[in-house]
Amino acid sequence: QSALTQPASVSGSPGQSITISCTGTRGDVASYNYVSWYQQHPGRAPKLMIYDVSHRPSGVSNRFSGSKSGNTASLTISGLQAEDEADYYCTSYTSGNTWVFGGGTKLTVL
Amino acid sequence: EMQLVESGGGVIQPGGSLRLSCEASGFIVTTNYITWVRQGPGKGLEWVSIIYAGGSTYYADSVKGRFTISRDKSKNTVFLQMNSLRAEDTAMYYCATPNIGFSFGLWGQGTLVTVSS
Repeated sequence: QSALTQPASVSGSPGQSITISCTGTRGDVASYNYVSWYQQHPGRAPKLMIYDVSHRPSGVSNRFSGSKSGNTASLTISGLQAEDEADYYCTSYTSGNTWVFGGGTKLTVL
Repeated sequence: EMQLVESGGGVIQPGGSLRLSCEASGFIVTTNYITWVRQGPGKGLEWVSIIYAGGSTYYADSVKGRFTISRDKSKNTVFLQMNSLRAEDTAMYYCATPNIGFSFGLWGQGTLVTVSS
């Protein structure tokens, strides 16, 4: 049950696009289309932003998009806004019927 | 409206036990999976345990043999029994369930567990 690998931090200026990667293994990301992404602001519970690799829940801005290639999933945020500054986590279902999170990525909007 | 409310956190000495509760409203706990996720101070999210609709349960290696997840349909509540607690179990504990897809779309507000002498 090793954590998925995410960059510790990413940054971008308002209006720019950024991408956060999430690398797993054959036993999780590569084998299942059950990768989801969460946004967490300080002191708050996580919020679902992307589910099942690339689907966006109702109410989430279409500036957020997800994709997957092999054992790496990605979250892209376009048209960065100040309120996007937060921690982002990926998670994946695994072959052991368990789940695993990434270590988290701190997004800074410059 | 679907909602989850955690309770049962507190300060406990190493080696002690604590039972967390996750009370659901707006849906029945046996109709879908409910998971526990924790977050240590200044750390990332860590998946802890899950109970699926059929009743099967799974655990992270870090808590296997010490934590037990269960549910009571009459109380519409999922529990996390935590035994042999260690300092590294100190964290905010969240319960979560899907409201769309195979994910964790609905989260509670969390309950804080502090293991300290």
